[in-house]
Amino acid sequence: EDKVVQSPLSLVVHEGDTVTLNCSYEVTNFRSLLWYKQEKKAPTFLFMLTSSGIEKKSGRLSSILDKKELFSILNITATQTGDSAIYLCAVLGLAYSGAGSYQLTFGKGTKLSVIP
Amino acid sequence: NAGVTQTPKFRILKIGQSMTLQCTQDMNHNYMYWYRQDPGMGLKLIYYSVGAGITDKGEVPNGYNVSRSTTEDFPLRLELAAPSQTSVYFCASSYGGRANYGYTFGSGTRLTVV
Repeated sequence: EDKVVQSPLSLVVHEGDTVTLNCSYEVTNFRSLLWYKQEKKAPTFLFMLTSSGIEKKSGRLSSILDKKELFSILNITATQTGDSAIYLCAVLGLAYSGAGSYQLTFGKGTKLSVIP
Repeated sequence: NAGVTQTPKFRILKIGQSMTLQCTQDMNHNYMYWYRQDPGMGLKLIYYSVGAGITDKGEVPNGYNVSRSTTEDFPLRLELAAPSQTSVYFCASSYGGRANYGYTFGSGTRLTVV
């Protein structure tokens, strides 16, 4: 059965700090790793990573994947209060025995709180 | 540009009642999914569909049923509600199963069974 483990589970920082969120995984037939940001409602898509060592960047957020060590990190620089959210890591693979197609397995998320 | 629309947003059910959570998307996505999210937990897949007329069980299908008569709609049915089904339910869709552009999620339905 596929597993996705995120750490830390929660984090409190001050505005302006830089944070690193971690995601490790064990997946059958790995296809890609995705990061989502979840505020009060639906998760919104941030990045999809398929290749090791290639950084994806969007403004103050960046992410990289290491397929050899089976982990990914999400960095947020110069944090703002608007970055407060739950960050979900999900891996696309054959999630469980009997799965008919590739599925996303989600981690429990990291709850980030940015205080002024 | 509606994306994925879920109704209702909130619902309280009594044990043993039934209800249908509605989900519709206007992006012509062929894949659709139902997830549940419990407090402090990640999303778990209930059912999914790879196209109209085709559905399959996910990781936690017990107590639920789905149908996919059209590309746009993917309702989730709870036949005999139980307290263990208290959760937030998300519908999602994607173009293809490889999530090349991520999944698009609906805004969720918060269900409480008492």
